[in-house]
Amino acid sequence: GAGVSQSPSNKVTEKGKDVELRCDPISGHTALYWYRQSLGQGLEFLIYFQGNSAPDKSGLPSDRFSAERTGGSVSTLTIQRTQQEDSAVYLCASSPTGMDTQYFGPGTRLTVL
Amino acid sequence: AQSVAQPEDQVNVAEGNPLTVKCTYSVSGNPYLFWYVQYPNRGLQFLLKYITGDNLVKGSYGFEAEFNKSQTSFHLKKPSALVSDSALYFCAVRDIFYGQNFVFGPGTRLSVLP
Repeated sequence: GAGVSQSPSNKVTEKGKDVELRCDPISGHTALYWYRQSLGQGLEFLIYFQGNSAPDKSGLPSDRFSAERTGGSVSTLTIQRTQQEDSAVYLCASSPTGMDTQYFGPGTRLTVL
Repeated sequence: AQSVAQPEDQVNVAEGNPLTVKCTYSVSGNPYLFWYVQYPNRGLQFLLKYITGDNLVKGSYGFEAEFNKSQTSFHLKKPSALVSDSALYFCAVRDIFYGQNFVFGPGTRLSVLP
């Protein structure tokens, strides 16, 4: 079956612009995660959606970052007024439940000039 | 609170030799433990997990890991390394009862030399 997909695969933007990153999880997975990975570094947790529960937003680095998940499926991560330090690979993962193996998408590489 | 440590940024091993990538964790209750691998310019792939049961867990590509509760460790091992095992390895933990989400370690870069 289809895995987790993310779009776009690459995004180059200018400082101060807003960007939207999309994640299509595996069908039927109730849990969805967003992470940020700077070049060659570890994963920084951003936000976690589980079913209809309120999302865990504890990892969002500033109020410029927001995310939503519509209909329990597709998720969009929005970064407003992008800064150069936002440049990273943004990874999305989904899981059958919130306690199980995560399946990762290929990521979106964001470059802020 | 949950935390994961991978004490080695880099591990070098000769092809054919055994390899170990270390992971230690801290949770309030009992842990779910995972290993993921990231090949260059790829997303993370699941290798293996420990939920409960046998402390020795076998996973993909000949990897295994041993859960040691007393040492709070979950080291990744392989009896004979391949050059193609060269990648970035991440350990992750979640507290079964008290955790809200998974915490990933900083990653260990494994280089297998021919």
